[in-house]
Amino acid sequence: GDSVTQMEGPVTLSEEAFLTINCTYTATGYPSLFWYVQYPGEGLQLLLKATKADDKGSNKGFEATYRKETTSFHLEKGSVQVSDSAVYFCALSESGGSNYKLTFGKGTLLTVNP
Amino acid sequence: NAGVTQTPKFQVLKTGQSMTLQCAQDMNHEYMSWYRQDPGMGLRLIHYSVGAGITDQGEVPNGYNVSRSTTEDFPLRLLSAAPSQTSVYFCASALERGIGYTFGSGTRLTVV
Repeated sequence: GDSVTQMEGPVTLSEEAFLTINCTYTATGYPSLFWYVQYPGEGLQLLLKATKADDKGSNKGFEATYRKETTSFHLEKGSVQVSDSAVYFCALSESGGSNYKLTFGKGTLLTVNP
Repeated sequence: NAGVTQTPKFQVLKTGQSMTLQCAQDMNHEYMSWYRQDPGMGLRLIHYSVGAGITDQGEVPNGYNVSRSTTEDFPLRLLSAAPSQTSVYFCASALERGIGYTFGSGTRLTVV
């Protein structure tokens, strides 16, 4: 079945540091890939997405590129801020038919210190 | 435009009690789903629906029932609450695959 593996946290960085959160996936078809962010006490918000190979999703300074050859969708940001502290989830949605299910990774807690 | 609305935000139940978690969306989305979030487990799909009158099981359906009588509403029923159902529950909706899913703010349920 489908699965998503993301790097275990927690990740602690200083403000303005470079961020990478690794995400790899297993899927039988050509999934859409997502990054969601969850701020403390809140629900999940879509951060960015990519629907086909080599697509780059970007939002709020975050980027991720859909790499089919390595089945990866790593999240990056060049300079993190304290306000980026949150839990980040990588997810996929399988292609085909009426399958709209999201499969999530376990989440990575990011803490950014001033 | 309220998005996805979940009620209640917090609930404490005794073992064996039943209750319904409400979820409503006003975006005319066909797809709706329920997830539970547990520490170290990520989010796991409980049930989902691809339109009014159509529901199906997800990864962890045992102990939960759903129905979808309208496009807007997708309630989740706990038939006989157990401590293992202590979790945070999220409802999500989507217009179609690949666009992205809108999540509600969650219901934190504690079963004692």
